[in-house]
Amino acid sequence: LAKTTQPISMDSYEGQEVNITCSHNNIATNDYITWYQQFPSQGPRFIIQGYKTKVTNEVASLFIPADRKSSTLSLPRVSLSDTAVYYCLVGANNAGNMLTFGGGTRLMVKP
Amino acid sequence: GAGVSQSPSNKVTEKGKDVELRCDPISGHTALYWYRQSLGQGLEFLIYFQGNSAPDKSGLPSDRFSAERTGGSVSTLTIQRTQQEDSAVYLCASSLEISGGTEAFFGQGTRLTVV
Repeated sequence: LAKTTQPISMDSYEGQEVNITCSHNNIATNDYITWYQQFPSQGPRFIIQGYKTKVTNEVASLFIPADRKSSTLSLPRVSLSDTAVYYCLVGANNAGNMLTFGGGTRLMVKP
Repeated sequence: GAGVSQSPSNKVTEKGKDVELRCDPISGHTALYWYRQSLGQGLEFLIYFQGNSAPDKSGLPSDRFSAERTGGSVSTLTIQRTQQEDSAVYLCASSLEISGGTEAFFGQGTRLTVV
């Protein structure tokens, strides 16, 4: 099981770019890296997923270095509504614990 | 359905009573997961199903917890003789398959309060 480590919390201001880094030193060859977002009183919501290099969608970008031992979620120009907990997950194929969530990073966006 | 549906959304029960929590996954999703989240905490993995089978039940907190899935669709999480420490939000998720490269969709959860 590839364990993940993220900062417990981060603060930012509206309009800034936020980068949240996740460490996963024992990531396996078949593992994907997935990020979820969770608002209070809601279930987690998929943000982005990648295997290597860079992935970008309408919400965020995910940067994965060549050794894949870490990944960085980048949120461009955050707004107050981006205040949430962000979870980094590393998933192995056919592993029942594929969706093992760590503690997440609590992002607070201030005006 | 359009998304993962859980019922009830809220449940208040007396200590010692049994409760059943229901999860309707997205149609066609073969994998189904149950999690528990206490207030202000992260998600605690409980159990997953691939089809109707649950290969790994080690995440269940005690033998008072059980889960089943019939017809590869609806799943029920049962908690017997509830205790106050069982109070939490119980989340269900489903995905097309168990794979690190597959997005999982979560329901809104069932908030269980044991008084």
